[in-house]
Amino acid sequence: EDKVVQSPLSLVVHEGDTVTLNCSYEVTNFRSLLWYKQEKKAPTFLFMLTSSGIEKKSGRLSSILDKKELFSILNITATQTGDSAIYLCAVPEYGGANNLFFGTGTRLTVIP
Amino acid sequence: EPEVTQTPSHQVTQMGQEVILRCVPISNHLYFYWYRQILGQKVEFLVSFYNNEISEKSEIFDDQFSVERPDGSNFTLKIRSTKLEDSAMYFCASRMTDTYNSPLHFGNGTRLTVT
Repeated sequence: EDKVVQSPLSLVVHEGDTVTLNCSYEVTNFRSLLWYKQEKKAPTFLFMLTSSGIEKKSGRLSSILDKKELFSILNITATQTGDSAIYLCAVPEYGGANNLFFGTGTRLTVIP
Repeated sequence: EPEVTQTPSHQVTQMGQEVILRCVPISNHLYFYWYRQILGQKVEFLVSFYNNEISEKSEIFDDQFSVERPDGSNFTLKIRSTKLEDSAMYFCASRMTDTYNSPLHFGNGTRLTVT
């Protein structure tokens, strides 16, 4: 069975800190990995990664994939209280309609 | 930016009642999905829908669930006889294609509370 495991489950940091969130996966026929940010409601798309070693960057957020070691990290530098959210990692399931299989998420809390 | 909209934002119903959750996907998207998130748990796939039929469904999506695209814009999830364990946040999502590199766009969800 495909698996997506995120760590840590929760994290509390102070504003200005840098955080690294981890996602490891075991999936048949890997094709891509996606990161989403979930605040109070809808998960919002952050990044899609398909190739090893190529960093995707958006402002203070960046992410990279290691297809050999089967993991991805999401970095947030100079955290702000607005970064407080659950960060979800997901991979398309093998076969079928590429439906997303989600990890349990990392709950990040940034305190002033 | 176009978005997926869901109504209602919160629905309270009694056990055994039928509920219909409504979604308006992004207008030029062709693939539609329902996901569920029980409080404190992971987001789980329920069903995918394309060309007016279900393309895939999970084990959760049993006979009490059904989906429909009654017109050109709405996409609905019906739960026929709700159970306490159906209480969850239900997310609708859509995307243009079903390829692995086409991200899902989620609505804000409907929180269903079954009492």
